[in-house]
Amino acid sequence: DQQVKQNSPSLSVQEGRISILNCDYTNSMFDYFLWYKKYPAEGPTFLISISSIKDKNEDGRFTVFLNKSAKHLSLHIVPSQPGDSAVYFCAASDGGSNYKLTFGKGTLLTVNP
Amino acid sequence: DAGVIQSPRHEVTEMGQEVTLRCKPISGHNSLFWYRQTMMRGLELLIYFNNNVPIDDSGMPEDRFSAKMPNASFSTLKIQPSEPRDSAVYFCASSLPYNEQFFGPGTRLTVL
Repeated sequence: DQQVKQNSPSLSVQEGRISILNCDYTNSMFDYFLWYKKYPAEGPTFLISISSIKDKNEDGRFTVFLNKSAKHLSLHIVPSQPGDSAVYFCAASDGGSNYKLTFGKGTLLTVNP
Repeated sequence: DAGVIQSPRHEVTEMGQEVTLRCKPISGHNSLFWYRQTMMRGLELLIYFNNNVPIDDSGMPEDRFSAKMPNASFSTLKIQPSEPRDSAVYFCASSLPYNEQFFGPGTRLTVL
């Protein structure tokens, strides 16, 4: 039973365009959501997070949107750069970010020059 | 400022052998997490510690797996005996209370 789903295994966009990565969850107890980025042969690195009391959080080129009624969140990257090419994981927690995270299977983003 | 340190980075062993993976969390972080990544199941939490005490080990696949955290700066994940299906990348992560988790580079384990 996959509680966090990233239905697109891969996404390809042109440099300068917007990248939109999507994530759905089923557990209504989740109250904190995070996005991690992972390069090959490295561990995931934290990118951005959002609490369930918000519907948007922005950090530079990265914005996360949360739609609680739809149990859906998305990560927008604008403008996309070739260095953004990586696997992006969506993660969720039901006890604050100090508690265990449930991860999606990831989406491979390729930004073409 | 060193991040989470894991060793070894790669481990190749034969079925039935004991495997020990090591992790040094970021100094001052009081929570430590062990994850396993496979193609089939993605990133799964195996166990996490808070202030060196195991809090939730429900993700540990079976009794062949054990984890310890003898002090705030060191943790081990042991598999005994190892099996080919244990082949995966194992990540350690640490965090401060109510902050994001910082991951180590991982240990790629291959059991032949």
